[in-house]
Amino acid sequence: DTGVSQDPRHKITKRGQNVTFRCDPISEHNRLYWYRQTLGQGPEFLTYFQNEAQLEKSRLLSDRFSAERPKGSFSTLEIQRTEQGDSAMYLCASSFRGSRDTEAFFGQGTRLTVV
Amino acid sequence: AQSVAQPEDQVNVAEGNPLTVKCTYSVSGNPYLFWYVQYPNRGLQFLLKYITGDNLVKGSYGFEAEFNKSQTSFHLKKPSALVSDSALYFCAVRGSTLGRLYFGRGTQLTVWP
Repeated sequence: DTGVSQDPRHKITKRGQNVTFRCDPISEHNRLYWYRQTLGQGPEFLTYFQNEAQLEKSRLLSDRFSAERPKGSFSTLEIQRTEQGDSAMYLCASSFRGSRDTEAFFGQGTRLTVV
Repeated sequence: AQSVAQPEDQVNVAEGNPLTVKCTYSVSGNPYLFWYVQYPNRGLQFLLKYITGDNLVKGSYGFEAEFNKSQTSFHLKKPSALVSDSALYFCAVRGSTLGRLYFGRGTQLTVWP
C-alpha cells in the first residue's frame, strides 16, 4: 500500500492520559499535515511540516499538543493530559511541493475518544 | 483571510438525475480549489482540483466542477447520480504558497434509488 498510513485507527483513553499518533506519508512527499475533524465539521488545520521543519502551527495546537517529523519521513502527534474536548478524528495528509505540486492525500485517520 | 462556505448541509437527489453541490470561497490572491469526498469512518479522498486554466475541471468518478471567479464559486456537478455517490463532500481552498487547506463544513449527499 503506497498511500498515507496512520496508526492506530482507533484510540480510547482516559482523561489526563497522554496519547501519541503516528503518520507515515507517501514516500516521495516532502510536506506533511495534521488536521482535526469533529462531528459535523470540516477538517481543521493543526500543523504542517516541509521535510523535518515545522513551518506553521494553528492556534488550535495548544501547549498540550506537539508534533514532530524528526527525519523528514514519518510524523508523530502527541497530546498530553487529554481532555474530553480532544475527542475527534485526527487526519494526516501528505503532498509534494516542488517543480510540480500535488494535491494533499489523506490517511484514514485516527479516531480518539477520551472518556 | 481564507474561507469556504458550503451553504447546504444536505443534498438529496434521485439516481440518474444530475447533482450539484455548492461551494463559495474567499481567498487572498489566486485560489487553489479542491473537492474531497469522505465515506463513513474513512479519510478524505481527492476528487478534483482547480489551479489555473479551463474553468470546467473534470475529476474522478465522473465528477466535474466549474470555477466562477466573478461569483467566487466552485460548484461540484455530476450529470447522472449513482447511489454509490452517497457520501460527505468537502470543498477546500488553499491560498497561494501556503500549504494548509481551509475546508467547508461539508455537504451530505444522498442519492436514493
